[in-house]
Amino acid sequence: EVQLLESGGGLVQPGGSLRLSCAASGFTFNKYAMSWVRQAPGKGLEWVSTISSSAGSTFYGDSAKGRFTISRDNSKSALSLHLDSLTAEDTAVYYCAKVRNPMTTVPTYDYWGQGTLVTVSS
Amino acid sequence: SYELTQPPSVSVSPGQTASISCSGDKLGDKYVCWYQQKPGQSPILVIYQDAKRPSGIPERFSGSNSGNTATLTISGTQVMDEAYYYCQVWDSITVVFGGGTRLTVL
Repeated sequence: EVQLLESGGGLVQPGGSLRLSCAASGFTFNKYAMSWVRQAPGKGLEWVSTISSSAGSTFYGDSAKGRFTISRDNSKSALSLHLDSLTAEDTAVYYCAKVRNPMTTVPTYDYWGQGTLVTVSS
Repeated sequence: SYELTQPPSVSVSPGQTASISCSGDKLGDKYVCWYQQKPGQSPILVIYQDAKRPSGIPERFSGSNSGNTATLTISGTQVMDEAYYYCQVWDSITVVFGGGTRLTVL
């Protein structure tokens, strides 16, 4: 059974940093691209970032460029997202999501974690 | 940047057919997928590559995509289908979600 378990969310002050993690299991992690998608309270889904299966390619949405860094450790089946220079607009539930097809970054997400809440407030 | 437009809300009576639209420039040239999200839960993929259903998704869910509009159709809508639905495409290296449609079944 595929499982994605996010952690690392919490309350952080404006301008602060945070590192989110996603522990994956139930599939061959190193064959699948992974993404982070966020959802602000009461709002829709917003793509944040994608990393290829080998970590050789990374992609970012406009809100994440220059402030967030996606990474992965295939030896540990772990995905991470480092958030920097946070503002109130970054307050959201952050989901990690698995790309459906192996060895591609085509973003069809067949499994999602339960999400971790990041709150940016003083 | 590419944009997808969905109606904020759609209402349907139980047993009837619900249609949720998603519009974008030359959307028919792209592959569309659809996600269902119930309150407090994570999204679930219900349609991918315009019209394919993942394993475990009921046959009453179907999709189409042509021109500038993609449509998610739920035939014989059930109360359990009440949720938010999001369309999503891939434009170049950017992932784009529609704003979401709240489906009310009453």
